[in-house]
Amino acid sequence: DIVMTQTPLSLSVTPGEPASFSCRSSQSLLDGDDGNTYLDWYLQKPGQSPQLLIFTASYRASDVPDRFSASGSGTDFTLRISRVEADDFGVYYCMQRLEFPYTFGQGTKLE
Amino acid sequence: ELQLLESGGDLVLPGGSLSLSCAASGFTFTNYAMTWVRQAPGRGLEWVSVITRNGDYKYYSDAVKGRLTISRDSSQNKLFLQMNSLTAEDTAIYYCARVSIEGAFDFWGQGTLVTVSS
Repeated sequence: DIVMTQTPLSLSVTPGEPASFSCRSSQSLLDGDDGNTYLDWYLQKPGQSPQLLIFTASYRASDVPDRFSASGSGTDFTLRISRVEADDFGVYYCMQRLEFPYTFGQGTKLE
Repeated sequence: ELQLLESGGDLVLPGGSLSLSCAASGFTFTNYAMTWVRQAPGRGLEWVSVITRNGDYKYYSDAVKGRLTISRDSSQNKLFLQMNSLTAEDTAIYYCARVSIEGAFDFWGQGTLVTVSS
């Protein structure tokens, strides 16, 4: 199975400041057949279901503010928030869907 | 309005069975693969299973393979998860989610709690 490792496990940020989350996979998430990198980012706000932020490594999902951006390739990925807002607090998860079983990172709590 | 409404969560004895449902509305159910993801109390997300649009293909995590079965009924716009031989490690909130055309989980239900305990 592909192991996903997120760092740090928690991140303390003041609203208005930037934030950065790291996700590393145990093997490359690049699909050699179609050239896509199958890494997604999710946010789970307190008491809520997860919501999709980023798909296929760098594409923002619908209605996701442009203060969220993501980059990375191969095994190293980063999610960035340019200026954290109060609504951004919660746990951020990365997930690989290159191969089954899909696997999530352990999450980074933004507080 | 998009909606996924899970039901069926309950307290069940170890070794018991349970069936979860997820009622979908607000989109064309047959156009989307569907998935189950679970979250043990105080823990992170764990992918469980996925089923293709027409139900022809199903995939499972190693932790549930052989005990949990995903299915769907397009006439009812419902997704199911039949859970057998349950153990305490299956205790979790179970979320159903829609799989987007790109393959990500773009819409999630509110979840249903399964507790396995004697």
